[in-house]
Amino acid sequence: SQKIEQNSEALNIQEGKTATLTCNYTNYSPAYLQWYRQDPGRGPVFLLLIRENEKEKRKERLKVTFDTTLKQSLFHITASQPADSATYLCALRTSGGSYIPTFGRGTSLIVHP
Amino acid sequence: SAVISQKPSRDICQRGTSLTIQCQVDSQVTMMFWYRQQPGQSLTLIATANQGSEATYESGFVIDKFPISRPNLTFSTLTVSNMSPEDSSIYLCSVDQGAMNTEAFFGQGTRLTVV
Repeated sequence: SQKIEQNSEALNIQEGKTATLTCNYTNYSPAYLQWYRQDPGRGPVFLLLIRENEKEKRKERLKVTFDTTLKQSLFHITASQPADSATYLCALRTSGGSYIPTFGRGTSLIVHP
Repeated sequence: SAVISQKPSRDICQRGTSLTIQCQVDSQVTMMFWYRQQPGQSLTLIATANQGSEATYESGFVIDKFPISRPNLTFSTLTVSNMSPEDSSIYLCSVDQGAMNTEAFFGQGTRLTVV
C-alpha cells in the first residue's frame, strides 16, 4: 500500500543548529514533493516544492533534497530559531493520476533557546 | 495566492446535532477540498467540492454525513451531520489551482468538539 512516513517523535534542537526532517514514501512515483509548515490552531502553509528531476532546492534558510532512488526527501532549516518551532508536513503529488496532494502526518520541531 | 476565511474557528456541539462550516476565498479557484485532521494524524481528504455539481467523496466518507455545497468558485460549506464524539477533529478547507506544480492554500481550520 502507499505510505508516507514522517517521524512521529518531536525533534528537539538548540537554537542555531541545523534541523533535519525526513519524509519517506513507498509505492508512490511522485512528480512533485512539497513541504508545509503548520502552527497550532492554524492551517498548513506552503514552504517549498521540489520536482522529481531536481536534487535540491533552497529558499533562504530552508533546503529540501529529493532522492527518488531512496524514496526520501530531507528538509533542512539552518541556523534554527525558536520561531521555527512548528509541525512540518510533506506532501506528494503524483503524475498520471489524481493531482490532489497526499500528506504525511508531520514532524514536530521544537527549537530551544 | 489565495486568502481563505474559514468559520467558525472552533465550536463545541452536542451529539446528534449538525454544524456547518463555511469557507470563503478571496479569488476564484478551480479546486476546493475539505480535509479532516485528527490529533497527531495526517490530513485526510474528505471530499472535493465541485462547483455546480455534487461533491466527490473519498472512501469512508458519505454525503449523508458530510453534505457539501459549492454554489460558486469562491465559496463552499461542509456540514457535519448527526455528530458523535468521534467527529471531534479539526476540519480544514483547502484550495488549489489544480496544476501539478501549484501549492495548496488552507483556511485556519475549525476545531470541533462534540460532547
